[in-house]
Amino acid sequence: DVVMTQSPLSLPVTLGQPASISCRSSQSLVHSDGNTYLNWFQQRPGQSPRRLIYKVSNRDSGVPDRFSGSGSGTDFTLEISRVEAEDVGLFYCMQATHWPRTFGQGTKVEIK
Amino acid sequence: EVQLVESGGGLVQPGGSLRLSCVASGFTFRTYWIHWVRQVPGKGLVWVSGIKSDGSSTSYADSVKGRCTISRDNAKNTVDLQMNSLRVEDTAVYYCTNLPMAQSLDVWGRGTTVTVSS
Repeated sequence: DVVMTQSPLSLPVTLGQPASISCRSSQSLVHSDGNTYLNWFQQRPGQSPRRLIYKVSNRDSGVPDRFSGSGSGTDFTLEISRVEAEDVGLFYCMQATHWPRTFGQGTKVEIK
Repeated sequence: EVQLVESGGGLVQPGGSLRLSCVASGFTFRTYWIHWVRQVPGKGLVWVSGIKSDGSSTSYADSVKGRCTISRDNAKNTVDLQMNSLRVEDTAVYYCTNLPMAQSLDVWGRGTTVTVSS
């Protein structure tokens, strides 16, 4: 199975400041079709997850543009340009290139 | 309204069985893979199983392979997860989701809670 490793696991941030989460995979996430199926999900406290980013860098509809994704191969990053109070919660990367699908451990974003 | 609604969770003894159901509405269910993802309270997300849009292909995590069977009925917009030989470590909230691979509607249910305990 592809192991997804996130860091840090806990991220205290100051409102209005940037934040960055790293996600590394144990194998390349480049699919045979040429796409890289790396997604980012947000889970606010008490809520179901929702997808923020698909195929490394594409924002889902309704996702604020302060969220951005980047990376390639085995190394990926989610960045929040200016953290807002509503961003508190857990963030997960997930690969959909290989079976079984696998998630990172999650990064808890909290306000300092 | 676009939604997935799970049901069927509950308290069961180790070795017992449960059948989880997921009902879809508001989107073209028959065109999507549907997956089950579980989460132990306070812990991370774990993919459990998935079934192709037409039901012709299924996949399972090693942790449930041989104990769980996923199925779907596109006429009823439902996906079921039959869980047998349940273990304490299967205790979790189980979410139904479509986990789209590309630009597409991302839908998650609110989850149903499975507790395996004697």
